Amino acid sequence: AQKVTQAQTEISVVEKEDVTLDCVYETRDTTYYLFWYKQPPSGELVFLIRRNSFDEQNEISGRYSWNFQKSTSSFNFTITASQVVDSAVYFCARQGGSEKLVFGKGTKLTVNP
Amino acid sequence: ETGVTQTPRHLVMGMTNKKSLKCEQHLGHNAMYWYKQSAKKPLELMFVYSLEERVENNSVPSRFSPECPNSSHLFLHLHTLQPEDSALYLCASSQDLFDGYTFGSGTRLTVV
Repeated sequence: AQKVTQAQTEISVVEKEDVTLDCVYETRDTTYYLFWYKQPPSGELVFLIRRNSFDEQNEISGRYSWNFQKSTSSFNFTITASQVVDSAVYFCARQGGSEKLVFGKGTKLTVNP
Repeated sequence: ETGVTQTPRHLVMGMTNKKSLKCEQHLGHNAMYWYKQSAKKPLELMFVYSLEERVENNSVPSRFSPECPNSSHLFLHLHTLQPEDSALYLCASSQDLFDGYTFGSGTRLTVV
């Protein structure tokens, strides 16, 4: 399987700080999709974003923004003005070719009051 | 309510027991998946069903047996499990095989 690497295992910030979660992926496919999911303590994986490989425009949704750089095979996620409710494990994932969704190991984010 | 419902939320079973995990989706999706999430390991894809047919089985031991009786329901039948099978089992569905997935809340399985 083509790997997805989230080098940061755990990050701890204080509320209102900005935080960036890194994601680097391997790919041999021309067409592929990249995802971010949030897993709060309750366990379910909450879909945040899906990008296809042809769309390198950065995206902003409220306090969330994503930076897709094909040249470096990265799809980083930034939370601006973090809040305690942002505390969760965040997963980056990739899907393409004949492969189904492949996840990174996740980054545990703790936002302290 | 995520649209994908998994029962039970928690399950403790002995190594000689037989139990089943249930997943139900009311989203009209055509594909359903079982994932295993163990501590400190990436999420592992176990099985994929598309239009009720199994399209992928990722070298999962035979003590795990999936069943998809219709496009809304997916089961994972468990028998003679090992303690290392203790994990969070997540079900997901998607409109098609390359669409975003909607996940359930998972079943936390403990094998004793």
